[in-house]
Amino acid sequence: GQNIDQPTEMTATEGAIVQINCTYQTSGFNGLFWYQQHAGEAPTFLSYNVLDGLEEKGRFSSFLSRSKGYSYLLLKELQMKDSASYLCAVRDLNNDMRFGAGTRLTVKP
Amino acid sequence: GAVVSQHPSWVICKSGTSVKIECRSLDFQATTMFWYRQFPKQSLMLMATSNEGSKATYEQGVEKDKFLINHASLTLSTLTVTSAHPEDSSFYICSARDRSGVYGYTFGSGTRLTVV
Repeated sequence: GQNIDQPTEMTATEGAIVQINCTYQTSGFNGLFWYQQHAGEAPTFLSYNVLDGLEEKGRFSSFLSRSKGYSYLLLKELQMKDSASYLCAVRDLNNDMRFGAGTRLTVKP
Repeated sequence: GAVVSQHPSWVICKSGTSVKIECRSLDFQATTMFWYRQFPKQSLMLMATSNEGSKATYEQGVEKDKFLINHASLTLSTLTVTSAHPEDSSFYICSARDRSGVYGYTFGSGTRLTVV
């Protein structure tokens, strides 16, 4: 089966950097995804990692270590609009995805 | 990327009535769609997997007679909440696999259901 663990809540200050960690267990790995979800809205795609290493996309970066079953999402130069839930998701070899419970990030002035 | 259209965005219904939510894949054929429910400040909970031309697969604890899923075509899946009760009030979201594989799942915009 798959267990996906990420912190429930985090708080950070506007302009700062925050790292959201995700650990997972899966019987067959086929990619790790991060989504952003604002309250009352559907999740939107942020990043995709299938090989080890760092993927950078503007203010957001995502890192993957397959051997450790570990990923993180790094948000730089935090803005108030970044307050949202961030979902870690793992895809298996059947292309089915499991979602973590999400990390609720609050950005304060 | 692929687009999934979900309607209605929000609906208010009386207790005991049924509500149908539609999910359409606009520019691709989705043989499989997924239905999720999400209560406020809680995680996405997979309710069922909708397969075109066959019966849906429901997750443990989800009543298939209450949450009817129909996937009659390659572009349309519907979820009908039958005999709705206030405790069914929630945010319902559909999704489909992104064909490119890069985006994982493409989500509909969600439906906010309020049962009064």
